[in-house]
Amino acid sequence: QVVESGGDLVQPGGSLRLSCAASGFPFNNHWMSWVRQAPGKGPEWVANIKKDGSEVNYLDSVRGRFTISRDNAKNSLFLQMNSLRADDTAVYYCVKGGGIGDVWGQGTTVTVSS
Amino acid sequence: EVVLTQSPATLSLSPGERATLSCRASQDVSSYLGWYQQRPGQAPRLLIYDASNRATGIPARFSGSGSGTDFTLTISSLEPEDFAVYYCQQRINWPRTFGRGTRVEIK
Repeated sequence: QVVESGGDLVQPGGSLRLSCAASGFPFNNHWMSWVRQAPGKGPEWVANIKKDGSEVNYLDSVRGRFTISRDNAKNSLFLQMNSLRADDTAVYYCVKGGGIGDVWGQGTTVTVSS
Repeated sequence: EVVLTQSPATLSLSPGERATLSCRASQDVSSYLGWYQQRPGQAPRLLIYDASNRATGIPARFSGSGSGTDFTLTISSLEPEDFAVYYCQQRINWPRTFGRGTRVEIK
């Protein structure tokens, strides 16, 4: 399973770091991803990271503002979010897989508002 | 970016009926297409990956077909818990993209 944390209410321009704790599978053998879902909208694949962290991909709208990383020794995934905007408001899901999301967490809510 | 168009937007059916959902891709995605179910207040759940492979624990009433640009998710006989929103998603290239969803509602 995967469990997210770190969501909060933040002002526009602010920063936030999301964390994901993984268990029950060999974390270092799998790509991992962050997928978000804005209220009333479909999911949106934000970023993914290779097993060893050597390759990352970002949605155009977050590139340069968000950074995905992982700590395989601690079975953890992270998303550092800077320069947050109102349209980043969403539930953020930690997902096992780089293109097939076969395990999802319950999500953590990020609200960007003044 | 691959755009996925799902139809219909809403499907009104009764329990026991057959549901047929469509997903059309703006370019060839080979068989790299998946289907997810999302119930209210829950995370999406993988049903089908690579067009026709059922994910672990998914009942046999769910089946997927298609390749290239046209795909179908079929639910052979709707159970009460199947009334939800269904999304298709491609993984042939980046960014991964989802369709806008089909809501299956009780008639």
